[in-house]
Amino acid sequence: DAGITQSPRHKVTETGTPVTLRCHQTENHRYMYWYRQDPGHGLRLIHYSYGVKDTDKGEVSDGYSVSRSKTEDFLLTLESATSSQTSVYFCAIKAGVDSPLHFGNGTRLTVT
Amino acid sequence: KNQVEQSPQSLIILEGKNCTLQCNYTVSPFSNLRWYKQDTGRGPVSLTIMTFSENTKSNGRYTATLDADTKQSSLHITASQLSDSASYICVVSHMDSNYQLIWGAGTKLIIKP
Repeated sequence: DAGITQSPRHKVTETGTPVTLRCHQTENHRYMYWYRQDPGHGLRLIHYSYGVKDTDKGEVSDGYSVSRSKTEDFLLTLESATSSQTSVYFCAIKAGVDSPLHFGNGTRLTVT
Repeated sequence: KNQVEQSPQSLIILEGKNCTLQCNYTVSPFSNLRWYKQDTGRGPVSLTIMTFSENTKSNGRYTATLDADTKQSSLHITASQLSDSASYICVVSHMDSNYQLIWGAGTKLIIKP
């Protein structure tokens, strides 16, 4: 899976609690992305990074923050989880602008 | 509005049969179009990329076509196998932004023995 690992793979949490998802890559790729996938929707971009400490918002960034202090790690934090954030979260990496995305196997998050 | 629509939403065929999945887009200006395959419980994997000047491209039993004039693409699967059971997602890249990818909702394909 192109050297990309997401953790945890599954998580159940309560409304109002903070949650951090981790994406770790061993490919030394510059670009990293966080997506969420919900039934009936295409993948939706939450945040992305184009280098260490360089991040930007995607189309559904409200309620999420990210950090990238090292090339290999990209963290996604739900500041105060809500039921609408129940979803499958995918991290992806990309070597260059025209390269394909390589995805991790996702984190299934349930907010009760 | 930039959109990607895929049809059918789901499809069931018998092993060994052929099928064609459709992708229509309204993204402009267009940069490229990719097809991804997503197995259940896994992340999507790129199958092929189509640029503006390409009409047809094959990757084994998968053949993608692109008609940039009508803004349509198709993915044809020949001699289907059980391992082809997956969701197939069409993604269009917007030329003005290398980060803006417009994702279709996917076609769920089930191959029955």
